[in-house]
Amino acid sequence: EAQVTQNPRYLITVTGKKLTVTCSQNMNHEYMSWYRQDPGLGLRQIYYSMNVEVTDKGDVPEGYKVSRKEKRNFPLILESPSPNQTSLYFCASSPAGTGELFFGEGSRLTVL
Amino acid sequence: AQSVTQLGSHVSVSEGALVLLRCNYSSSVPPYLFWYVQYPNQGLQLLLKYTSAATLVKGINGFEAEFKKSETSFHLTKPSAHMSDAAEYFCAVSEPANYGGSQGNLIFGKGTKLSVKP
Repeated sequence: EAQVTQNPRYLITVTGKKLTVTCSQNMNHEYMSWYRQDPGLGLRQIYYSMNVEVTDKGDVPEGYKVSRKEKRNFPLILESPSPNQTSLYFCASSPAGTGELFFGEGSRLTVL
Repeated sequence: AQSVTQLGSHVSVSEGALVLLRCNYSSSVPPYLFWYVQYPNQGLQLLLKYTSAATLVKGINGFEAEFKKSETSFHLTKPSAHMSDAAEYFCAVSEPANYGGSQGNLIFGKGTKLSVKP
């Protein structure tokens, strides 16, 4: 089954404790992206990647890191999480040039 | 720079009534336009997309949208609402690669939550 898989789906952590949210897709898509969704603000892009070893900042990259060492994986790293990073995070992928995003089910992160 | 404005963060209709969700965009080049739907506790899924072919685009579940360049709009409609249409709807824009855009990169509006009353 074609899918984008995120883990963990739910996480409660404390300020400053490094964490990684994994994202994996099995559709051989070139493009992958991370978004955060907050009430009243819609989806805001954090980082995106056009292909392996090619990443770029979105609208709200501060406090986040990403890497794209393999085509299928695009982990989101919070080196020192803060409460303002409490949010619902979505990973998405698409074939190059289509804009047809396939989304994961989301990861709800709470930073205390 | 591209941007998307969705008019109305909440829209409520009765079952069987017309659904109209409004989206206006800003783009310096002919855009690609999308509508995505998010059902409760799920990720987003593509409803329909416009990529410079026919201006009236048909999507899944009976939805359609019309690209109007003169009004910079891409409103989403459905003739008769069903209870199962209750969800949040997002309009998005991207710039095609042949205009220098990163074609897969979408800018989303803030979303419109649709409620359907019995």
